[in-house]
Amino acid sequence: DVKVTQSSRYLVKRTGEKVFLECVQDMDHENMFWYRQDPGLGLRLIYFSYDVKMKEKGDIPEGYSVSREKKERFSLILESASTNQTSMYLCASSFFYSPRHNNEQFFGPGTRLTVL
Amino acid sequence: SQQGEEDPQALSIQEGENATMNCSYKTSINNLQWYRQNSGRGLVHLILIRSNEREKHSGRLRVTLDTSKKSSSLLITASRAADTASYFCATVAIFKAAGNKLTFGGGTRVLVKP
Repeated sequence: DVKVTQSSRYLVKRTGEKVFLECVQDMDHENMFWYRQDPGLGLRLIYFSYDVKMKEKGDIPEGYSVSREKKERFSLILESASTNQTSMYLCASSFFYSPRHNNEQFFGPGTRLTVL
Repeated sequence: SQQGEEDPQALSIQEGENATMNCSYKTSINNLQWYRQNSGRGLVHLILIRSNEREKHSGRLRVTLDTSKKSSSLLITASRAADTASYFCATVAIFKAAGNKLTFGGGTRVLVKP
């Protein structure tokens, strides 16, 4: 079974703190993604990565950065947390599309971040 | 911007009944996927239908795709209390092998009453 794990289920931080959210997958997936999920807004893509050290901005990258130093690990960084970054953060991974694999994404359990 | 829009936003049914939800999208797609999310958890992939397919089945799930209307439907037959969840459609518009992005709709919340 594919496993995508996230470092914390719940996190409470203060405004201005630097926050690291970690995601690890064990299926040798090339692609990794970070989303945030807010009521009424659905899932929105923050950043994604298709290779080590490669990253691309999603729909809402402002206020976030990412790091992918190893294939299995994708980190989301909030340089200076703000209250409007209170949200559920979801990590996902997938293979490249190929005759063997479609591009379905496998999700972690999510991290509910509260910024006070 | 949301590519997929689900309808209805919420659905309440009795156990044993069928649940149908719809998804509409705006641009041409390579494939469309349905995911389930239990409360406070991550999403789980249910089924994928490619743009050249019209219907697909998986267990109690049936998905249809009408590319001329840019719409898809998900039918859950003989629903169970465990089917209570939010259901999302997601589309892949621009196809490339690397870094395929999914665009998710707002979801349909389904409540199955025992």
